[in-house]
Amino acid sequence: ETGVTQTPRHLVMGMTNKKSLKCEQHLGHNAMYWYKQSAKKPLELMFVYNFKEQTENNSVPSRFSPECPNSSHLFLHLHTLQPEDSALYLCASSPSPKLNNSPLHFGNGTRLTVT
Amino acid sequence: AQSVTQPDIHITVSEGASLELRCNYSYGATPYLFWYVQSPGQGLQLLLKYFSGDTLVQGIKGFEAEFKRSQSSFNLRKPSVHWSDAAEYFCAVGAGGNKLVFGAGTILRVKS
Repeated sequence: ETGVTQTPRHLVMGMTNKKSLKCEQHLGHNAMYWYKQSAKKPLELMFVYNFKEQTENNSVPSRFSPECPNSSHLFLHLHTLQPEDSALYLCASSPSPKLNNSPLHFGNGTRLTVT
Repeated sequence: AQSVTQPDIHITVSEGASLELRCNYSYGATPYLFWYVQSPGQGLQLLLKYFSGDTLVQGIKGFEAEFKRSQSSFNLRKPSVHWSDAAEYFCAVGAGGNKLVFGAGTILRVKS
């Protein structure tokens, strides 16, 4: 149990579907993140939320829409995705927005396949 | 811009042998450095971190890493590898605020 729970673990969706990824952290942290992990590429930071406010959008296409209703929950809404969006999507949290004293804690990820 | 290079995509070592995984970074200020490990189907787990002070840091599972400013390196070491250490290892540099820049990873295979 990592303290950061992601659902679903696996998702297959067509390019016209709408789906959502969910992340929940039970650690009392104040910052939450979405990362994309594609094969043979470094992890890419997508979004950062601090105290429910979005502080980072790393030039992510609008077909990815994050939502952070409170400090414990983070969603990634997906619509009209492309096959190249197939990847492992990792959620993470940290106690504070400053990494010098609060490293990231990761969930186990959602394996997304776009057909 | 900050960057992290892990020169070895794959490394194979025998069980019981020593291990060193290389990491070089590019960052203008004093970096915050991390090593994470990812087992198949899992998220990333923090092994160790360097923020300041002693340049040799100890982590979990018997791993250690040494920060060498002159070489811009933060190599990960373990004196005796176990079969359960087979995984993918990621080096990362804190790039200000709460941004982490990751390397591409090194896949460790352990042969018995």
